[in-house]
Amino acid sequence: SQELEQSPQSLIVQEGKNLTINCTSSKTLYGLYWYKQKYGEGLIFLMMLQKGGEEKSHEKITAKLDEKKQQSSLHITASQPSHAGIYLCGAQVDRGSTLGRLYFGRGTQLTVWP
Amino acid sequence: DAGVTQSPTHLIKTRGQHVTLRCSPISGHKSVSWYQQVLGQGPQFIFQYYEKEERGRGNFPDRFSARQFPNYSSELNVNALLLGDSALYLCASSPRRTTSTDTQYFGPGTRLTVL
Repeated sequence: SQELEQSPQSLIVQEGKNLTINCTSSKTLYGLYWYKQKYGEGLIFLMMLQKGGEEKSHEKITAKLDEKKQQSSLHITASQPSHAGIYLCGAQVDRGSTLGRLYFGRGTQLTVWP
Repeated sequence: DAGVTQSPTHLIKTRGQHVTLRCSPISGHKSVSWYQQVLGQGPQFIFQYYEKEERGRGNFPDRFSARQFPNYSSELNVNALLLGDSALYLCASSPRRTTSTDTQYFGPGTRLTVL
């Protein structure tokens, strides 16, 4: 079963446009992580959110965790071709589950065309 | 500082064979987790090891096993390979027995193809 739902599955935007990727769970998220992956390669850590209502930014990427800690969004401002890749959200969804076991969404494939 | 390293980068095996994948965590990290990522899916948790002991296991058959060495490096072993084992195998390290506050840093992965 898919613990985390990501939307959209794919996104094609023109360079300079803003975009948002969503990650939703029916369970409380404990430690929500955003990673970026180039096709067939490892995951690059972007940001980690823990507290309800938390928001973090790095360069042109902002991630938020809602107050209920069941939904997170990743927002990219003024997208560039270097932002292209697969964005994955991962999280612990059960406090009683194995510590360190992250559940992942299926990923969002982002294409940025010049 | 070097990140998480994995070897080999690519591997081709035939059904029924055995495979060993290797992972070296970031220096100072004591926890290693293994994930399987099938094409088009997110990573699926296989194992977590901390201080050389198995601390968690995902929903994978007993054909999958792993171990962690005194230097905190780890091996993932898969016996009796099936076509469905073809995937990208990812190793992640974190400083401690991972809690919700510890970030897992991933290696580049090993691409396993089973023919």
